Amino acid sequence: QIQLVQSGPELKKPGESVKISCKASGYTFTDYAMHWVKQAPGKGLKWMGWINTYTGKPTYADDFKGRFVFSLEASASTANLQISNLKNEDTATYFCARNNYNWFAYWGQGTLVTVSS
Amino acid sequence: EIVLTQSPTTMAASPGEKVTITCRASSSVSYMHWYQQKPGASPKPWIYDTSKLASGVPNRFSGSGSGTSYSLTISSMETEDTATYYCQQWSSNSPITFGSGTKLEIK
Repeated sequence: QIQLVQSGPELKKPGESVKISCKASGYTFTDYAMHWVKQAPGKGLKWMGWINTYTGKPTYADDFKGRFVFSLEASASTANLQISNLKNEDTATYFCARNNYNWFAYWGQGTLVTVSS
Repeated sequence: EIVLTQSPTTMAASPGEKVTITCRASSSVSYMHWYQQKPGASPKPWIYDTSKLASGVPNRFSGSGSGTSYSLTISSMETEDTATYYCQQWSSNSPITFGSGTKLEIK
């Protein structure tokens, strides 16, 4: 069955960096894009962008240009999200999600990133 | 960017009651998709392409709409339906957006 398994929770200080991974299984990794979605505590879902898993080309939503980097380890069927110069407002659960056409059919379990001094 | 406005923001329904959640788009979209999220869990696909039920979704749920107005309906509320529901659109030449969510509780 198709699964997206994300790395564990992270506790970071402001200014530090964090890298979250999302390992896919049960399908051909390069056949589908991987998306990232942010959910701040008690808030709604915000789409961050996506990465073409065939070419490696990332596309970022406007609010996530600059400190956010999507990358791949295609040989390991893994997508990564790196956030640099962390700020308090980056505290959130980050989900990876795989689309079927224009909806998200599969989601990772989420990775909680807490930024606190 | 297409803004999705959900209403109501929160609501409570009695067991057996009919429930309707609305999602209005700032511009016309071809399809609307819905997700159910329970506390501490990841969102689950619930209704896709406006009216198709995702795998495992009870048939008391339905989706409808077109253009700028879409809805999710529960014909008869059950306790297990307590959750937050989000709508989502993905149209060409527009970033993907989600509605702000509707929290549905049981009375």
